[in-house]
Amino acid sequence: DARVTQTPRHKVTEMGQEVTMRCQPILGHNTVFWYRQTMMQGLELLAYFRNRAPLDDSGMPKDRFSAEMPDATLATLKIQPSEPRDSAVYFCASGSDRRRHEKLFFGSGTQLSVL
Amino acid sequence: DAKTTQPNSMESNEEEPVHLPCNHSTISGTDYIHWYRQLPSQGPEYVIHGLTSNVNNRMASLAIAEDRKSSTLILHRATLRDAAVYYCILTRYSGNTPLVFGKGTRLSVIA
Repeated sequence: DARVTQTPRHKVTEMGQEVTMRCQPILGHNTVFWYRQTMMQGLELLAYFRNRAPLDDSGMPKDRFSAEMPDATLATLKIQPSEPRDSAVYFCASGSDRRRHEKLFFGSGTQLSVL
Repeated sequence: DAKTTQPNSMESNEEEPVHLPCNHSTISGTDYIHWYRQLPSQGPEYVIHGLTSNVNNRMASLAIAEDRKSSTLILHRATLRDAAVYYCILTRYSGNTPLVFGKGTRLSVIA
């Protein structure tokens, strides 16, 4: 079965370090979404792309977070510098907007701990 | 986006049917009703979606009220593997609109 692949699954880092999370969307999907999940806030949208172009990244702290799609097979989410409050599970999802109301497919997430 | 209201938690016995309610009194005519669930330590997964008519698939059934102000996700025979958080989400979906998750309903299944 096709699936969204996220790496790494777990990341422990120290405050101030750069963190890069990667996502491989399902082949042929043209929309990619980044979500963050914490106990307090639940699932929050950080950014999303259509055909590799960013459509909305208003959910991201602009000064430290950046999201890119270098090509159609890779999406990245970077945090620099990382802070303890960034500790969360980060999910990537992909979908296709070629038909309306297509379902999204989520990866297994990257669990980030910033010490 | 229109809001949804779900109970925080529900409990079911294994092999019993489960009815998970969702209220969406401010739904608009073009909003679709989507259900996703999140199993422990996994990302959300699609369950079902519909507009006006009841829908069935291999995972569940979706019953939509005639006035569309509420809907019910039906798991016909709950198993331990169905223990998850279930999210009811409305989308005015053009294909680009992201899903906005609420807190969902945490379903516990008792053996």
